[in-house]
Amino acid sequence: EAQVTQNPRYLITVTGKKLTVTCSQNMNHEYMSWYRQDPGLGLRQIYYSMNVEVTDKGDVPEGYKVSRKEKRNFPLILESPSPNQTSLYFCASSPQQGGGGKLFFGSGTQLSVL
Amino acid sequence: KNQVEQSPQSLIILEGKNCTLQCNYTVSPFSNLRWYKQDTGRGPVSLTIMTFSENTKSNGRYTATLDADTKQSSLHITASQLSDSASYICVVTPYNNNDMRFGAGTRLTVKP
Repeated sequence: EAQVTQNPRYLITVTGKKLTVTCSQNMNHEYMSWYRQDPGLGLRQIYYSMNVEVTDKGDVPEGYKVSRKEKRNFPLILESPSPNQTSLYFCASSPQQGGGGKLFFGSGTQLSVL
Repeated sequence: KNQVEQSPQSLIILEGKNCTLQCNYTVSPFSNLRWYKQDTGRGPVSLTIMTFSENTKSNGRYTATLDADTKQSSLHITASQLSDSASYICVVTPYNNNDMRFGAGTRLTVKP
């Protein structure tokens, strides 16, 4: 089944403890991206990747890192999480390298930083 | 100011009724406009896509319209069902640009 898989689904951590949220897609998509979703603000892009080893900042990249060593994987890394990073996170992929392609989203990761 | 504004923020309707959600955007020129449906606790799923030259696009009971002159799009849901309860997100992609602009969404609740 074609899908974007995120793990974990729920995560509670403490301030400063490094964490990684994994994202994997099995559709051979070039484009992958990370978003955070907060009430009233909608989806905001954190980072995106047009292809392997190519990553770019989105609207809210501060406090986050990503890597794209393989086409299928695009992990999101929080080196030193803070409470303002408590949010619902989504990974997405698209077959269209440029913007505007249909996005396929994962099921989300609810992160709470205490 | 967000380049994509959606209204209303939330909406409650009775099952079987129709409703219309609005999306106003300032992105110009744009490549395409998509509507996504997001069920609670799930990722958004694409419903419709329209390019700047299209006026209307249907997907079952969902019909999206686009007025490029006034920079407005609407999503009309006919004969609503309980399963239509979700958030609906408007996404506009600028022409020749990767920078998709997301609306904050409209939360629709369909009651029996």
